[in-house]
This record gives sequence, structure tokens and C-alpha cells, in this order.
Amino acid sequence: KNEVEQSPQNLTAQEGEFITINCSYSVGISALHWLQQHPGGGIVSLFMLSSGKKKHGRLIATINIQEKHSSLHITASHPRDSAVYICAARRGTSGSRLTFGEGTQLTVNP
Amino acid sequence: NAGVTQTPKFQVLKTGQSMTLQCAQDMNHNSMYWYRQDPGMGLRLIYYSASEGTTDKGEVPNGYNVSRLNKREFSLRLESAAPSQTSVYFCASSDSGGGPRPYGYTFGSGTRLTVV
Repeated sequence: KNEVEQSPQNLTAQEGEFITINCSYSVGISALHWLQQHPGGGIVSLFMLSSGKKKHGRLIATINIQEKHSSLHITASHPRDSAVYICAARRGTSGSRLTFGEGTQLTVNP
Repeated sequence: NAGVTQTPKFQVLKTGQSMTLQCAQDMNHNSMYWYRQDPGMGLRLIYYSASEGTTDKGEVPNGYNVSRLNKREFSLRLESAAPSQTSVYFCASSDSGGGPRPYGYTFGSGTRLTVV
């Protein structure tokens, strides 16, 4: 069993839909990261959170430390949101190492 | 533009050849990392450098060596390439504390390596 698991693996939505991607982890963490990887391959850091909720534009990330679960929400989805979304758990502070989930491939159709 | 610069973007090697992937960051980050990304396996850590002058093995270090040349640069070397090293390689850096975005990650654009 992977230490960081995401669901679903693949997600197809229609433009405008509300999207949720889930991440569960089995280890103690000091923070959880959400990353976005575009079709061209570049990886962008979206959020880093250790408690509660963060919002940036149409993206919202939440984390429940007790349940070891995080969600990434996209409101009013758009085709340009099509990408792979990756969650990653940071354990401790030494070297800031991350353990990654396998990613969720999101496709938003017009 | 501030960020992580990774070269080359594409490379094809024959089995047994050697090469070095270069990575440089201009954000004054302490920590730097090399990851490989394979289908169905997510990103896996090859080596990392928590600070200038230190390097440590990650999950999949076999067949690789690294050099933290200075605070800016962290290179990854394949001494004798094997087909199993065909992958996409990402360099990343992070501020390990005290900066404006502590532990925030910045990734390079990736190197697509094929070993034939």
C-alpha cells in the first residue's frame, strides 16, 4: 500500500462542474502539498498546507489531520484546468523530502 | 526569470554511455532534489541535498551520482546508462526554512531521457 494515495486516478468533467480530488496518507506528516502538472510536463506547486483550508482563485485545498485526508476542489472548472494533479506528503523538516501520490488525470471538456 | 533551470530537455543515450543532467536555481534555496517520473509510479526521489555541501540518497539512487557544486547548482550523473533509466527527470528546490515561502517547492521543466 502506498503511503500517499489519490482518488480518482482519472476524472473527466464538463466545463463549469465542481471537481474534487482526494488524497489519503498513512504516515505522520508536517505538511501536504498539491502540485499541478500540465500536458507539457512542467510541475507547479499549488498549495502547501498543514491545517485547515487554503484558497487561490478557483482552487481550494483542505486538510483533516486527524483523518489523514486532504481534498483539492476546483470550482467552475475550465478546459485549461486539464492537467495531472499530484498530492505529496512532507514528513518532518529534514531536507523537506516529499512522498508523492501517483496523480489524478483531470480532463475538462468544453 | 527566477526559478529552476534544467538542461537538457531531451536526450537519447545508448546503453553504457554516460551523461550529466544540469540543474541550477536562482532563488537562494537551501535544498535541491532530483526525481524521476515513470508511468504509474509517480515521482520518486533519486538524491537530494538538504544544504550546500551535503547529499543523501533517496528512494532509487542506484546507477546515479550527484554533485552539489555550490548553493545554486545540483547535477545528476549517469555513469553507465541502462534502458531502465529511461524516464523523465525533474530537478526541484525548496527553501528549508526562514524564507518567504518555507518548504515551498519549485520544479524544473524536466528532462526526457531515453536509453536505447
